[in-house]
Amino acid sequence: EVQLVDSGGGLVQAGGSLRLSCSASGFTFSRYWMSWVRQAPGKGLEWVANINKDGTERNYVDSLKGRFTISRDNSKNSLFLQMSSLGLNDTAVYYCWAGGSYWGRGTLVTVFS
Amino acid sequence: SYALTQPPSVSVSPGQTARITCSGDAVGNVYVYWYQQKPGQAPVLVIQKDSERPSGIPERFSGSSSGTTVTLTISGVQPEDEADYYCQSSDGRGGSVFGTGTKVSV
Repeated sequence: EVQLVDSGGGLVQAGGSLRLSCSASGFTFSRYWMSWVRQAPGKGLEWVANINKDGTERNYVDSLKGRFTISRDNSKNSLFLQMSSLGLNDTAVYYCWAGGSYWGRGTLVTVFS
Repeated sequence: SYALTQPPSVSVSPGQTARITCSGDAVGNVYVYWYQQKPGQAPVLVIQKDSERPSGIPERFSGSSSGTTVTLTISGVQPEDEADYYCQSSDGRGGSVFGTGTKVSV
């Protein structure tokens, strides 16, 4: 059974940093592009970033302005999102996504002033 | 930046047909995927590559494409189909983009 377990969310003060993790199982992680998708409270889905199979290519949504870094460790079947200079509008549920129906359950990030 | 536009809401009675459109300049040149999301849950893929239905998705869900618009059709809507629906495609620069989302009320 495919499982993506997101973790690392929590409360963080504006301007702070947070690192999200996603642990994958049930499929060959190293063969998949991986993404992070977020959803602010009451809002729609927003694609945040993706990374290719071996970690050599990364893409980000323009609005992030270099504040987030996506990475992966194929030896540990893990995906990461390092977030810095967090602002109130970064408050959202962050989902790990392997494409198609492979989604994590999400981890909530709440930024407070 | 590339955007996919959907109507904010669609309201249908049980047994009727719901149609949700998704418009974007590159639609027709890239595959579009459709996701269903219920409150508090992760999205579920209901249509892939414009019109393919993944295994386990009821036959009442179908997809079509015409020009710069793709359409998700739910025929014979059931109460359990009440949810938010999002289209998604490549942004043409290595990333992805999601549509603005449509709330289907039954």
